[in-house]
Order: sequence, then structure tokens, then C-alpha cells
Amino acid sequence: AQSVTQPDIHITVSEGASLELRCNYSYGATPYLFWYVQSPGQGLQLLLKYFSGDTLVQGIKGFEAEFKRSQSSFNLRKPSVHWSDAAEYFCALGNYGGSQGNLIFGKGTKLSVKP
Amino acid sequence: DAGVIQSPRHEVTEMGQEVTLRCKPISGHNSLFWYRQTMMRGLELLIYFNNNVPIDDSGMPEDRFSAKMPNASFSTLKIQPSEPRDSAVYFCASSSRGSGNTIYFGEGSWLTVV
Repeated sequence: AQSVTQPDIHITVSEGASLELRCNYSYGATPYLFWYVQSPGQGLQLLLKYFSGDTLVQGIKGFEAEFKRSQSSFNLRKPSVHWSDAAEYFCALGNYGGSQGNLIFGKGTKLSVKP
Repeated sequence: DAGVIQSPRHEVTEMGQEVTLRCKPISGHNSLFWYRQTMMRGLELLIYFNNNVPIDDSGMPEDRFSAKMPNASFSTLKIQPSEPRDSAVYFCASSSRGSGNTIYFGEGSWLTVV
């Protein structure tokens, strides 16, 4: 069955420190993978996506993610965190069984940033 | 370009009342999704439409929930009668092949049933 696991519920990092948020997926074929960010009281904003090709994907706000098929992972990284990055981050798997499908979301990782 | 537009943004209603949430997808998108977000269950797909036709409604929790998409630019999610456990954020989202199958979300409708 398709699934997405985000092992860390809550992470706290200091401003300026590097960040890595973990995401593991279970899917029988080549996955379509996404990272979304949700600020408090807001909707979900797409940070980046992986469909095929280069396994290192660049996104908005200085984020990047690396697809590793051998580890079934799609971890999100940022070299230097800003206070405005405090939010909840969701990894998602595109379930494209037909022409267009839905997303299967992980439970999310809440990021807190210390000054 | 306008994104996915949802209304109302916030609603507080009494148990037993009918609730109607509305969504206008991004113009040109032919897939529309309704998700629900709660602390306990996270983000769950309720139903999605392709070309105005419901494709998968297995996530609709029970018969009190219904969704329609009468045309390509409008969808409703209705709860009748509403219950306190329906309190959640309801997101509408849309996508198309032209968007690379990327799903774009609205700002959400924050529902509280008291």
C-alpha cells in the first residue's frame, strides 16, 4: 500500500543552522513526490516536487530535496534556517493510478526556530 | 493568476445545522480535490473529481457528507446535519496535466461545530 512517513513530529533548530526533514515513502512504481509548507492559519504552499530526472530538486525559499530510490526517501534540506521558516512541513506522494490522482500526505513535521 | 478560492474562510455553526463549503478551482484545471485536516488524523482526501465527475469518494466519512461539481469552475461540499466531530479545516485543491499534475491548495475553510 502507498504511504508516506515523516518520522519527526517536531523539530527545533537555531536560526542560521542547517535543516533536514525526513520523509520516507512506500510505492510500487516511480513516485511523484512533493513537499508542502503550511504556516499557522494558512493553506498549503508547494515548496518543490520530484517527478523524474535529476534527483536533487531545488524549490522556493532556498529549500532543496534529494530523492533516493534505494532508501525510499525524499528528505528536505535548507542550509541556513530563517525565523520565518517556522511552520509545518508535509511530504506527499502522488497517487497517479489513473489519469490524474490525489496526494497521500505524511503526518507533517512542525518546525520551530530558536533565535 | 487567481489561486483556488474557498468560502467561507471561517464558519461557526450549531450542531444539526447544514454547512455548505464552496470552491472555485484554478481556471483550466480539470481535477478538483476536497481534503480535511484535523489534529488527530492529519490531511485526508475526502473526494476528488476529474472533469466534473467524482472519481474517488471513498474518503467521505458518511452519508452526512456530499460533494458536487456542477461545472468546471465550482464545487460544493455539504454537511447535513453537522456534528461537533466535523470541526476541522477543509481544503479544496485543483490540478491539471498542464500544471504537471501538481496540486494547488486553497486557503481552507475553518469549520467549528458547537
